[in-house]
Amino acid sequence: DAGITQSPRYKITETGRQVTLMCHQTWSHSYMFWYRQDLGHGLRLIYYSAAADITDKGEVPDGYVVSRSKTENFPLTLESATRSQTSVYFCASRGMNYEQYFGPGTRLTVT
Amino acid sequence: TQLLEQSPQFLSIQEGENLTVYCNSSSVFSSLQWYRQEPGEGPVLLVTVVTGGEVKKLKRLTFQFGDARKDSSLHITAAQPGDTGLYLCAGAQNSSYKLIFGSGTRLLVRP
Repeated sequence: DAGITQSPRYKITETGRQVTLMCHQTWSHSYMFWYRQDLGHGLRLIYYSAAADITDKGEVPDGYVVSRSKTENFPLTLESATRSQTSVYFCASRGMNYEQYFGPGTRLTVT
Repeated sequence: TQLLEQSPQFLSIQEGENLTVYCNSSSVFSSLQWYRQEPGEGPVLLVTVVTGGEVKKLKRLTFQFGDARKDSSLHITAAQPGDTGLYLCAGAQNSSYKLIFGSGTRLLVRP
């Protein structure tokens, strides 16, 4: 299917565990982004990538790691999950007019 | 810090009423986008406006980009319950990789 997909859609994990959220896009867009969305904070940029093997920090990168070995994939890893990382995570890719196309989100709960 | 201020934050109206949502900034944007997000889903792009003074219509939704490209508005005519959702504006600047998101307007249209 064309578009941008995220997996898993829902995840419950324990404090201290490592968890990886997957993102896949089929448009071959160069730019990809990871956001978290929390009530009262709106969408906050965690990391972004301009191309394969090029990544950089956004507004709230602490506790997260990204990689981008292939253009279509942009996984986000929480190295040691904390309760403050309970959130809804969105992956997005950027089109030609700077518009962004979002995935359906991953709802992560850290207990 | 570049900000996009959206107003109102919350809006609850009766089906059939008209409404306007505003998005204001002191910064100039090369383009501005409007997104709608429904519960449990990612934001979906509604429109991109690029030229100062531009007006775009999408059925009952009318989008306007300010002449100075610092502000935008979204007008909905005869709102329907299906219009319920979170509306986000986002500004792009050619010099930056990222979008500046507004804090959102949560719209509830009551039948």
